[in-house]
Amino acid sequence: DTEVTQTPKHLVMGMTNKKSLKCEQHMGHRAMYWYKQKAKKPPELMFVYSYEKLSINESVPSRFSPECPNSSLLNLHLHALQPEDSALYLCASSPGQGRGGNEKLFFGSGTQLSVL
Amino acid sequence: DAKTTQPPSMDCAEGRAANLPCNHSTISGNEYVYWYRQIHSQGPQYIIHGLKNNETNEMASLIITEDRKSSTLILPHATLRDTAVYYCIVRAGANNLFFGTGTRLTVIP
Repeated sequence: DTEVTQTPKHLVMGMTNKKSLKCEQHMGHRAMYWYKQKAKKPPELMFVYSYEKLSINESVPSRFSPECPNSSLLNLHLHALQPEDSALYLCASSPGQGRGGNEKLFFGSGTQLSVL
Repeated sequence: DAKTTQPPSMDCAEGRAANLPCNHSTISGNEYVYWYRQIHSQGPQYIIHGLKNNETNEMASLIITEDRKSSTLILPHATLRDTAVYYCIVRAGANNLFFGTGTRLTVIP
């Protein structure tokens, strides 16, 4: 199994809603990532978890709250989002075995989020 | 991580080789060169990566200059399904992968 599975594929939410994005992998990877991608722009790193601990937060607003309940699961909790937060949210994983840059990331197909 | 520079767009005739260049003049000795591609609204797909030597796999070849300041991704026989945005990334740390603006490759029938 070399897949990273993201659910839901599409999500529409209002600015007062609370929702969660889910990401799952069963490759035994110990590093997991959230990226945000606006239309016609490259993906931007948001968060990195390494061995279930948050290791990188790229100054993301607190209305985005990541959670890594175990090594296979990564969630992104959303609350009080703005319309400008509408984007494709991508999850990725990598082995996380401390091999420096010699470790490729596997990406899911993303959740297309629309905030109304 | 070092920055990369890629042409914003390129065209390639179907069946011909597609050669996508990337400049990474500030690359440091422990940084790998990665190539990913992204087909419209899908997740990025890994293509190939290398440190110093040229690399080849079932998808593509990666040619890295001796001074490591630039590289070229070669798709030997481009098909319509290779139309995508191609990202060249240099990476040292285990916990990051920063994307540049990429090259939009269009394969023309």
